[in-house]
Amino acid sequence: SAVISQKPSRDICQRGTSLTIQCQVDSQVTMMFWYRQQPGQSLTLIATANQGSEATYESGFVIDKFPISRPNLTFSTLTVSNMSPEDSSIYLCSGGDRGGYGYTFGSGTRLTVV
Amino acid sequence: SQQGEEDPQALSIQEGENATMNCSYKTSINNLQWYRQNSGRGLVHLILIRSNEREKHSGRLRVTLDTSKKSSSLLITASRAADTASYFCATDPGGTSYGKLTFGQGTILTVHP
Repeated sequence: SAVISQKPSRDICQRGTSLTIQCQVDSQVTMMFWYRQQPGQSLTLIATANQGSEATYESGFVIDKFPISRPNLTFSTLTVSNMSPEDSSIYLCSGGDRGGYGYTFGSGTRLTVV
Repeated sequence: SQQGEEDPQALSIQEGENATMNCSYKTSINNLQWYRQNSGRGLVHLILIRSNEREKHSGRLRVTLDTSKKSSSLLITASRAADTASYFCATDPGGTSYGKLTFGQGTILTVHP
């Protein structure tokens, strides 16, 4: 199965600033996704990263706040814009293909906004 | 909002004992998956069961799926201290939403040596 390198692993940011998180997959994958895990909570899907086109966002998430890029089948970025303390969470990317083998996750980015 | 509910929320057992976690969901699915997360890090895929399957095994893991009750269970046999982690079920609706996983709230498993 694919291996995903995610960085940074953690960051402490000032409110009002932006942070870009990167995920690099060691092989081409059809699908890539971004999730948020708030403290002590489960994972919530933010958006589907579409290769070469605009991401598809889930209810409650908007492009202006979470712009996503996916220039090819092995790389994607998520930017958390104009951050507030409520954005403090773990952000995770995942990737995989159809076929019933599950998805590989990056190791997560633990973001703290102060 | 999360549609999956897991119970128990926390489970504490001794090494060598079996651990059973349950998951319920609300909508139709293509498949259901179980993941493990250690200390708030990345998730590791454990096992996937399709909607037309009732039981699946992988090593010390046994998963059951009852689509009529919209529920699944994960059994870990002969648990080890290294199994200490959070366990999440995740449903995949398939179709045009294939891959868009909805996660349960998770079960925190602690295995004491």
